[in-house]
This record gives sequence, C-alpha cells and structure tokens, in this order.
Amino acid sequence: DTAVSQTPKYLVTQMGNDKSIKCEQNLGHDTMYWYKQDSKKFLKIMFSYNNKELIINETVPNRFSPKSPDKAHLNLHINSLELGDSAVYFCASSRGQGAGQPQHFGDGTRLSIL
Amino acid sequence: AQSVAQPEDQVNVAEGNPLTVKCTYSVSGNPYLFWYVQYPNRGLQFLLKYITGDNLVKGSYGFEAEFNKSQTSFHLKKPSALVSDSALYFCAVIRGNYGQNFVFGPGTRLSVLP
Repeated sequence: DTAVSQTPKYLVTQMGNDKSIKCEQNLGHDTMYWYKQDSKKFLKIMFSYNNKELIINETVPNRFSPKSPDKAHLNLHINSLELGDSAVYFCASSRGQGAGQPQHFGDGTRLSIL
Repeated sequence: AQSVAQPEDQVNVAEGNPLTVKCTYSVSGNPYLFWYVQYPNRGLQFLLKYITGDNLVKGSYGFEAEFNKSQTSFHLKKPSALVSDSALYFCAVIRGNYGQNFVFGPGTRLSVLP
C-alpha cells in the first residue's frame, strides 16, 4: 500500500486554467505538507497543516489554496495557472510537529503549463 | 536564518569505493539535521537524522553521517558505494521552534560508476 499518494501523477494544462492536486496518507500522521520542486531540483515548502489546521504558509501566491477535509487528506487548488507554476509538487506527511519527525513523501505531481 | 549548503552539484565515485556527500549548515541554536535521497521520478526518502547524542549517526541502506559542530558540517558517508546508490541527495535543517519547517539544500547528484 502506498503510504502517501498523490493524484494525478501528471497534469498538463493551459495557462489561465484552474486545477487541483489531491493527496492522501494512510500512515495515521497528524501533519501534512506541500512542497514545490523546480526544474533545478530546488525544493521549497509551501504549506503545512496539523490536524486540519494551517501552521505554515510560506510566501506563496494566493492563487494557491490548500484544503484539508480531514487529517488524512491535503489537497492543493491552483487558480489562474501561470507558466511559472510548472514544477513538480510533492505532498508529505509526518507524525506530529515534534522536531525530528521525518517526513514521508509522495511521488509527486508533474505540472506542465502550456 | 537557518540554511544548508551542499558545495558539490555532482559527486562521482567508483563502485566499491567510499563515498562522501558534503553538507554544511547555519542555524541559531541546536541543529536538527536530516539526509534524504531522491531517485528519478520518485519522492524523497528519509535516510537519517541528527537531533542529539552521538556525532556519528547510522541510517538506511548502509549510510551514515557525521555531525561536526565546530565545522558546522553533517557529511553523508558510505564505506562502499553501489551503483544503485546513484541518486539525488538532499541535506535539510529544521527551521523554527515548531520543528517541522524544513529547509532543504540544493541537492547533490551522486553517480556511482561500475
């Protein structure tokens, strides 16, 4: 069973469209994250939720809106997609917020904006 | 501000030889340090972490890392490299008091040559 699963795996769409990426974890973790990895492989945190509550919100355009219906799911909705949004988006989860808890990553969603 | 540097974009090593992937950090307070590995088209996988205690930390797949406070380094090592170790390696530090805001280094691509 996949611990952290993201759908879709690939997403190709036009500039200006709105799209969503879904993430689910079956590890029983309390905390979930979204990361963006650019074409140079730089990895940057976007958001973090703990028990459905937003705890980290980095400098991300408000076109990006995370939603956590329950602690096993953290979805990412993106409005008015731009060329610069092309990247790989990773979902991750960890057990609580304690320092030292490793994060478990999904295999990513490759978003390409035409 | 917490940060990590990985001074080498690429490390090449022959199979069977020891390998080292370098990481230096800059933090205020005690550092919480991690190593992750990323294989092609996959998410990051946790290898090991240093929170406190022994300076030599052992992790998955035969990897270990040495924490050196005076040199602010946390280099990843393996006594005998395998071709299957070829991947992208990320060093990370936790930023902030709540413990889960990871800052990742830029990554080092390791190639193990047969």
